[in-house]
Amino acid sequence: SQQGEEDPQALSIQEGENATMNCSYKTSINNLQWYRQNSGRGLVHLILIRSNEREKHSGRLRVTLDTSKKSSSLLITASRAADTASYFCAFDTGRRALTFGSGTRLQVQP
Amino acid sequence: DAGVIQSPRHEVTEMGQEVTLRCKPISGHDYLFWYRQTMMRGLELLIYFNNNVPIDDSGMPEDRFSAKMPNASFSTLKIQPSEPRDSAVYFCASSLALGQYSYEQYFGPGTRLTVT
Repeated sequence: SQQGEEDPQALSIQEGENATMNCSYKTSINNLQWYRQNSGRGLVHLILIRSNEREKHSGRLRVTLDTSKKSSSLLITASRAADTASYFCAFDTGRRALTFGSGTRLQVQP
Repeated sequence: DAGVIQSPRHEVTEMGQEVTLRCKPISGHDYLFWYRQTMMRGLELLIYFNNNVPIDDSGMPEDRFSAKMPNASFSTLKIQPSEPRDSAVYFCASSLALGQYSYEQYFGPGTRLTVT
């Protein structure tokens, strides 16, 4: 069973809009990562935020982390059709292996 | 670098048959992970290795599943005998851990297994 939950499960937006996905977890973590999975493909790492960081940016991606609420959010600004994919949060509880969330399916309409 | 390589990409087999999935991690990476992805259960960690040694196999569902890593450049996941509920996409990933933090994992393209 998963220890991470994401919402929404699915999100459909228009090109140019922003997309926000949320992740919650239950245990203390060393870091939290976000991955993207295109249909029929493996996961691709997007960004990592450490437990002592609150916000991180990478291009059009912005990640926040609130360890007191055990939650994180991923914001994709100015979305493009190519951003259509499933997005997963994954957290490291200190055992080197990652626990993945349930994922958000993002559909960006051109 | 070619990335993580998995074979076969697709496998269709009959219940009761043995299935072997193969993985070649990225050269120099010291961690290797096997995951299973299904619609019902999402992405589950099955087992992972550090420097070819199995560290945690608590995610392996049953004794029918076994994994080996005979050297730094090759790992196998075997299911014997296979059952229809084993149908899933199996991913291999590798990572280079630096310091106390896990770093990003690099995933292979996956093996789609169908057991009829």
